Amino acid sequence: QSALTQPPSASGSPGQSVTISCTATSSDVGGFKYVSWYQQHPGNAPRLIIFEVTKRPSGVPDRFSGSKSGDTASLTVSGLQAEDEADYYCCSYAGSNNFGVFGGGTKLTVL
Amino acid sequence: EVQLVQSGAEVKKPGESLKISCKGSGYSFSTYWIGWVRQMPGKGLEWMGIIFPGDSTTRYSPSLQGQVAMSADKSINTAYLQWSSLKASDTAMYYCARGISPIKFDFWGQGSLVTVSS
Repeated sequence: QSALTQPPSASGSPGQSVTISCTATSSDVGGFKYVSWYQQHPGNAPRLIIFEVTKRPSGVPDRFSGSKSGDTASLTVSGLQAEDEADYYCCSYAGSNNFGVFGGGTKLTVL
Repeated sequence: EVQLVQSGAEVKKPGESLKISCKGSGYSFSTYWIGWVRQMPGKGLEWMGIIFPGDSTTRYSPSLQGQVAMSADKSINTAYLQWSSLKASDTAMYYCARGISPIKFDFWGQGSLVTVSS
C-alpha cells in the first residue's frame, strides 16, 4: 500500500471541473513539501503535468492546477475535455527525502 | 530535442539475468538524474530508483533494494537497469525518465516490456 493515497476513480462531464486528491498516509513521506503529478494515457509513458505542488511545465494547459493543504495535495482539471481521460498519479518524497513514491493512481473518466 | 530511447522488449525465464538500457540524447546526460519506474500489468506506477550519471550516485526504493541494480556509462549517455536472477513477478513495463529532481521527471523513454515466464 502506497504512502500516498489517491481515490481509484474520478469522473466529470465535458466542461466541468474535477479534483483529485493525494493524501500522505505515512509519516515516512517527509514533509510532503514537494509534489508532482503525472498523466498517463493507456499505452503511453507518463507525462509530467505539475511539479513543486503548483507549477506547470511549458506546454501543459492552464486547465491543470495543483494545490496542497496540510497532508493532502490536489490536482484540479478545469473545463474537462475528452483527452483528459487518463490515469493520474501524484508523487512525492519519502524516507527523509532519499527516495520517491507514487500514489496508487486515479482513473479519470470524462462522461 | 531531448530523447530517451530504451532497449526493446525481452522475454526471459525465471532465474535468468537481464540488463535493459536507456540512451539519452539532446541534453547533457551527466548533469541530470535518470529514474526508473516500474508498471506491472494493469497496475500503477512504482518508483524504483534513480542514478546520477555524473558520479553514479544511486538511490533505491527500500522495497527494491538488492533486487535490481542501476548503473550508467556517461561516455555513451546510457543508463542501465539489471537483474541477476529474474522472477515471474518482475514481469512489467519499465520506464526510464530524466530527473531534474528525484520526483520531477520531465522526459520519459518509451518503456521496455520485460516478460518473465517459464
